[in-house]
Amino acid sequence: QQQVKQSPQSLIVQKGGISIINCAYENTAFDYFPWYQQFPGKGPALLIAIRPDVSEKKEGRFTISFNKSAKQFSLHIMDSQPGDSATYFCAASNWGAQKLVFGQGTRLTINP
Amino acid sequence: SAVISQKPSRDICQRGTSLTIQCQVDSQVTMMFWYRQQPGQSLTLIATANQGSEATYESGFVIDKFPISRPNLTFSTLTVSNMSPEDSSIYLCSVGLQANVLTFGAGSRLTVL
Repeated sequence: QQQVKQSPQSLIVQKGGISIINCAYENTAFDYFPWYQQFPGKGPALLIAIRPDVSEKKEGRFTISFNKSAKQFSLHIMDSQPGDSATYFCAASNWGAQKLVFGQGTRLTINP
Repeated sequence: SAVISQKPSRDICQRGTSLTIQCQVDSQVTMMFWYRQQPGQSLTLIATANQGSEATYESGFVIDKFPISRPNLTFSTLTVSNMSPEDSSIYLCSVGLQANVLTFGAGSRLTVL
């Protein structure tokens, strides 16, 4: 019930391409879905987040798509750049809570 | 957002010993969180540390193995006791100053031989 499943585990994309990372959750009580970005030697940092009252949220090149009925959400990185190379974690929680359940992470490599 | 400093940034330890990780935050926070990030795996919450009370541990984590101190609103320590190679991980301190937004320290990479 508390799991968040993330795929793929690793992803290689050419510069300028679209990177797509997918997550699925089980607990229907979750109502907050953030994505965190982690560079080597650094802690994860909030990248973008969505609540289930909308199906999509866009911030610059980063977009979250959310499918409430399927209990799935995904991160799309448009025009992927080498600087986007990092590990990405999806997460889920109840709004107002500070305890997050994280996915397994995706190591993204953008080839120049 | 908060700035979090963790010490040590990395260490290599012998089996059976204990290591204490320090977490310093540049602002006062009610709750501090300790996470474990095993190689190639997810971030797993170990415990929540509240100032003035005992830490709350998640399932699978116990106080004898991971004692936590929280002496004030800007500081916490996590001790990894009687270490084994399975404890080799990155340990991360985090705080939440805004609802649902966690700020993480850079982590402490622990290798147990």
